[in-house]
Amino acid sequence: DAMVIQNPRYQVTQFGKPVTLSCSQTLNHNVMYWYQQKSSQAPKLLFHYYDKDFNNEADTPDNFQSRRPNTSFCFLDIRSPGLGDAAMYLCATSRVVAGIGETQYFGPGTRLLVL
Amino acid sequence: KQEVTQIPAALSVPEGENLVLNCSFTDSAIYNLQWFRQDPGKGLTSLLLIQSSQREQTSGRLNASLDKSSGRSTLYIAASQPGDSATYLCAVIQGAQKLVFGQGTRLTINP
Repeated sequence: DAMVIQNPRYQVTQFGKPVTLSCSQTLNHNVMYWYQQKSSQAPKLLFHYYDKDFNNEADTPDNFQSRRPNTSFCFLDIRSPGLGDAAMYLCATSRVVAGIGETQYFGPGTRLLVL
Repeated sequence: KQEVTQIPAALSVPEGENLVLNCSFTDSAIYNLQWFRQDPGKGLTSLLLIQSSQREQTSGRLNASLDKSSGRSTLYIAASQPGDSATYLCAVIQGAQKLVFGQGTRLTINP
């Protein structure tokens, strides 16, 4: 059974048209992450939620926002997608206990195409 | 700033060979180190997690080692198979929650 689910798997949007990517988890993990991965590059952390606490990476563009309405769901909102935002977006979860992060589990990713 | 380097960037070997993938990191103050596999166009699959207090972990034909003092980890794959062809990423876990990834090694196993 899938533990980290991402929808949709493929998303096509127009330049400047807002888009939302969805992630859900059945692991009851307290931390959820969003990564951006461009072709032949390593995943780059955009932000993460530690429970309800939002942690933004310093170099994440303002164009990217996130919401976590409950433990199971996390959303990535791209307010005005540019051509450079075309990438694979990966959601991951982990359990952090006593300040120590355990294995991160990744979803299958959403491939975003911007026209 | 932590930097993670993987060598080689690409590797092609005949089926059945044993092989070693290398990962190095600049800051030894890590919590854990994780090895992932990524197939083209897919998400990441966790292979092994080594905690900072451990020196190695094994899963089937895979063995990962960690030497924190020298900032190195290796992933050993025994008796390679064509199905092992993928990109292998190592990542160090810092600040309890954040992964810093290497660029990956693209592995091709030739039948």
